[in-house]
Amino acid sequence: EAGVVQSPRYKIIEKKQPVAFWCNPISGHNTLYWYRQNLGQGPELLIRYENEEAVDDSQLPKDRFSAERLKGVDSTLKIQPAELGDSAVYLCASSLTPLDDTEAFFGQGTRLTVV
Amino acid sequence: GNSVTQMEGPVTLSEEAFLTINCTYTATGYPSLFWYVQYPGEGLQLLLKATKADDKGSNKGFEATYRKETTSFHLEKGSVQVSDSAVYFCALNRQNFVFGPGTRLSVLP
Repeated sequence: EAGVVQSPRYKIIEKKQPVAFWCNPISGHNTLYWYRQNLGQGPELLIRYENEEAVDDSQLPKDRFSAERLKGVDSTLKIQPAELGDSAVYLCASSLTPLDDTEAFFGQGTRLTVV
Repeated sequence: GNSVTQMEGPVTLSEEAFLTINCTYTATGYPSLFWYVQYPGEGLQLLLKATKADDKGSNKGFEATYRKETTSFHLEKGSVQVSDSAVYFCALNRQNFVFGPGTRLSVLP
């Protein structure tokens, strides 16, 4: 069975440009997360979906970040405009249930470099 | 809010040495606790978990026990191998996963 698939793996853009990341979770996983991981740090939550509903977007910088999961399956995270400080690895994860004892499965991430 | 603290790295050990990576947490209620590992060039993957107090999670020779009284979930392995070289993340899940900063382990032959 395929794991969580993210694309692209790497992206280099100039500041003020837009960028989008795509994630396809494991089939049947209704819970989807987007995390940001800065160099040498642990992942930090940006947004969590249950099906197509964003149930926690309190850490998403809404002035420049947006996300969607229109059909409750794959998801897109967008940044517009990008800033130098947005350089990081963006991780998508999914889990079978929203229960606390359920593990999250992570994709390999998209490494964004803003120059 | 919920948070996870783990020992600073990097940790460098010789093969067959004993490993401990300390992890403590702060959370409302009773979260589930996890250790994730990130091998070079790979994504985060679950190493082990424990979902209630006094539970012991184990996998690949690694163990960790959920200690509610000390709010800890320390990772241990009796004899590390070169292939264990990776970054280890302690995490809790209480509606959302919260991760520690990671501890880089290097095992020398």
